[in-house]
Amino acid sequence: KAGVTQTPRYLIKTRGQQVTLSCSPISGHRSVSWYQQTPGQGLQFLFEYFSETQRNKGNFPGRFSGRQFSNSRSEMNVSTLELGDSALYLCASSFLAGAPEEQYFGPGTRLTVT
Amino acid sequence: GIQVEQSPPDLILQEGANSTLRCNFSDSVNNLQWFHQNPWGQLINLFYIPSGTKQNGRLSATTVATERYSLLYISSSQTTDSGVYFCAVEPLKAAGNKLTFGGGTRVLVKP
Repeated sequence: KAGVTQTPRYLIKTRGQQVTLSCSPISGHRSVSWYQQTPGQGLQFLFEYFSETQRNKGNFPGRFSGRQFSNSRSEMNVSTLELGDSALYLCASSFLAGAPEEQYFGPGTRLTVT
Repeated sequence: GIQVEQSPPDLILQEGANSTLRCNFSDSVNNLQWFHQNPWGQLINLFYIPSGTKQNGRLSATTVATERYSLLYISSSQTTDSGVYFCAVEPLKAAGNKLTFGGGTRVLVKP
């Protein structure tokens, strides 16, 4: 079974631009969560989607948004990029939301904002 | 929110040595996972262990949920064990999947 895939793997953007990252979960998984990893703040939860609905949201500004499609693929968007948005963005998938279960992570998208 | 503390922050080992990594958390949890982050950034699942003990080769983990801590044991360490180890938890009262990560333990195994 293929793992979680993320595209693109690397991205360089300029301040003020916007960016869209994509995540395809493991086949059959319906919950997708997004995390941001920076050297200063560590790994932080962004949001979670299940059945095309945002179920949980972390403490990030409204510039960070996401969505999930009917095939469970998810995208996250960051508008008006700031230098501090440079980070590794990881997505994770699991089969069901609402029950505690193991989450599996993709390889990440490394975003650099210049 | 829940607090997750990992210790030690850094660990240098000689190849073949054994080590113990600790994860303390501040509230009851219904999910606890250990990950190894590889040099390219991917989080590799090691254990899903909200309670009890599990073993996988040279690695084993124990979670004592009532005392709010988990331990990861690395035996006969190899250079390939180098990297950052993360503990992540989901509070008992949480709805959905929302892991809170500790700060990690950076492990360097020297040949």
